[in-house]
Parts: sequence; structure tokens; C-alpha cells
Amino acid sequence: KQEVTQIPAALSVPEGENLVLNCSFTDSAIYNLQWFRQDPGKGLTSLLLIQSSQREQTSGRLNASLDKSSGRSTLYIAASQPGDSATYLCAAGGRDDKIIFGKGTRLHILP
Amino acid sequence: DAGVIQSPRHEVTEMGQEVTLRCKPISGHNSLFWYRQTMMRGLELLIYFNNNVPIDDSGMPEDRFSAKMPNASFSTLKIQPSEPRDSAVYFCASSYPVQGLRNTEAFFGQGTRLTVV
Repeated sequence: KQEVTQIPAALSVPEGENLVLNCSFTDSAIYNLQWFRQDPGKGLTSLLLIQSSQREQTSGRLNASLDKSSGRSTLYIAASQPGDSATYLCAAGGRDDKIIFGKGTRLHILP
Repeated sequence: DAGVIQSPRHEVTEMGQEVTLRCKPISGHNSLFWYRQTMMRGLELLIYFNNNVPIDDSGMPEDRFSAKMPNASFSTLKIQPSEPRDSAVYFCASSYPVQGLRNTEAFFGQGTRLTVV
């Protein structure tokens, strides 16, 4: 049974800093790893999708990496801004087509 | 496309009443997922469908929960009878196959916030 863990549960950093969010998964037999952003009271917005054959994906200031062998993914945010404040969730897409989520990291960027 | 559409956005009901949540996936998507989100447990996968067929409902908490997908453009999640502990945000998501790959990017609706009093 796939389990996804995100550490830390919450993070506060000053504006302008670079930061890394971590995601680990127990079953390395995944098809993809997806990162989402969720604002309070809102739905989930897809940020980046990494297929199992890929090592990383980039979109603007965001870079996500995937290491299947170690069961880890990271989301790197460069030059953080107050608008980046949100909860970030990672989700592992398995061979059984299930998409299993971590509990998220609540990010607060201090102006 | 308007994205995944869920209705209602908010639902307040009394304990014991039947609740039906609705979802319209993105056209062309062949997988549909129902999730429940709470502060304590995060996002839990309840059930998912592939080509309108329920594939795995092991996440459905109790027999009070049921889900259907009568066609490719509509799904329902029903709770009967509802209880206060069912209060949560319920999300629907859909995804699509890409040639040579399994289902890829998942797109989420805005969710239905259910409160059972």
C-alpha cells in the first residue's frame, strides 16, 4: 500500500529565499509524481507532473525532481514571494492508477 | 473546457439525511476520482472509476457511502444516512491517458464543502 509523507508539515521563510519541500513515498513502482498547490478554501491546482522516466520538471521559479530508487521527490521554489504562500501537496500515481496524496506542507512567505 | 465541475459548492444538512454530491469530469478524461479532505487525515482517496467502471472502492469508509458513474460525463457520491463525522470537503478529479503512458495529470474540481449538523 502506497504511503506518501511530506516534511515539514509547515514552513515559514523570509521573502526572497530559495526553499525546498520534500516528499517521500514507500512504493517506488510509480508512474508519475505530481505537485499541487492549494490555497485556503480552494481546490487543487496542478503545478508540475514528473513521469517515472523523467528526473525533473521545471516551470518558472519551480523545479521538481524525482528519485524513484530512493522514493523521494523535491519541489524547489526560487526567490520566494508572498504570493507563494499556500499548502503544497505531492501525489504519487501508481501502477494501479491510484493517486495517493501526502498531507501537504503549509508554506508561509514572510514579507 | 470549463474544467472539472462539482455541485453543490456548499451543503449543510441534518444528521440522517441523504446527501448527493455531483461531478462532471473534463470531456475526454477516462478516469474519475473521489477524494475526501479533512484537517486530520488530509486527502483520502474514496473510489475511482476507469471508463465508467468502479475499479477500487476500498477507500469508501462505510456502506453509507456509494458512488456511481452512469456515463462518461457524470458521477455522483451519495451518503445515506449522513453523520456529523462525514463533514469534510469532497473533491472530484479526472485524468486522461496519453499514448504509451498510463493516466497522467489529474485535474481537480473546486470541491463540495459538506457540513452535517
